[in-house]
Amino acid sequence: DGGITQSPKYLFRKEGQNVTLSCEQNLNHDAMYWYRQDPGQGLRLIYYSQIVNDFQKGDIAEGYSVSREKKESFPLTVTSAQKNPTAFYLCASGRQGRVSDTQYFGPGTRLTVL
Amino acid sequence: GQQVMQIPQYQHVQEGEDFTTYCNSSTTLSNIQWYKQRPGGHPVFLIQLVKSGEVKKQKRLTFQFGEAKKNSSLHITATQTTDVGTYFCAPHTGTYKYIFGTGTRLKVLA
Repeated sequence: DGGITQSPKYLFRKEGQNVTLSCEQNLNHDAMYWYRQDPGQGLRLIYYSQIVNDFQKGDIAEGYSVSREKKESFPLTVTSAQKNPTAFYLCASGRQGRVSDTQYFGPGTRLTVL
Repeated sequence: GQQVMQIPQYQHVQEGEDFTTYCNSSTTLSNIQWYKQRPGGHPVFLIQLVKSGEVKKQKRLTFQFGEAKKNSSLHITATQTTDVGTYFCAPHTGTYKYIFGTGTRLKVLA
């Protein structure tokens, strides 16, 4: 099966703790993206990566960090500096990060910070 | 920066009625994509529009790109309960990232 996996589906953390969300794809896509979705809202871009060992900040990168050491993996760390981390986090990938790319989304991780 | 607005924010229709959502940008777009997100699910790609005035159809769904490439619409004919979800437009900014619209949440009453 080809696709994007995110784990876990639900995640609970105490305030002040860092937490890392996993995103793996076996579609052989170059580009990967992280979005945040709040209830009843659209998607906001956190970080994106067009190629291994390179990534750029999106519109709301503060309080988040990423790495892209392997083509198939793009983990997102939500740090304690993120003021309102409770949200639905979606990972996506695209073939080459070009204008014509379709984005394929993973099932998402719902993070709740208590 | 570029802003994308979708209207309406919510729409409730009786099954069999038509539905339209509009996507408006403050700047000219290179292309625009549409996605559907079912309740509790993740966005799924529907279609991409590239040319000025382009119209594409997928069964009961009709997508249109404005002549000035600043707006787009999605029209569903004779809605069904399976059409329930949130519809997002995603214009490309010209760099290597997309901006997602605010979404229109569609509810279909049987």
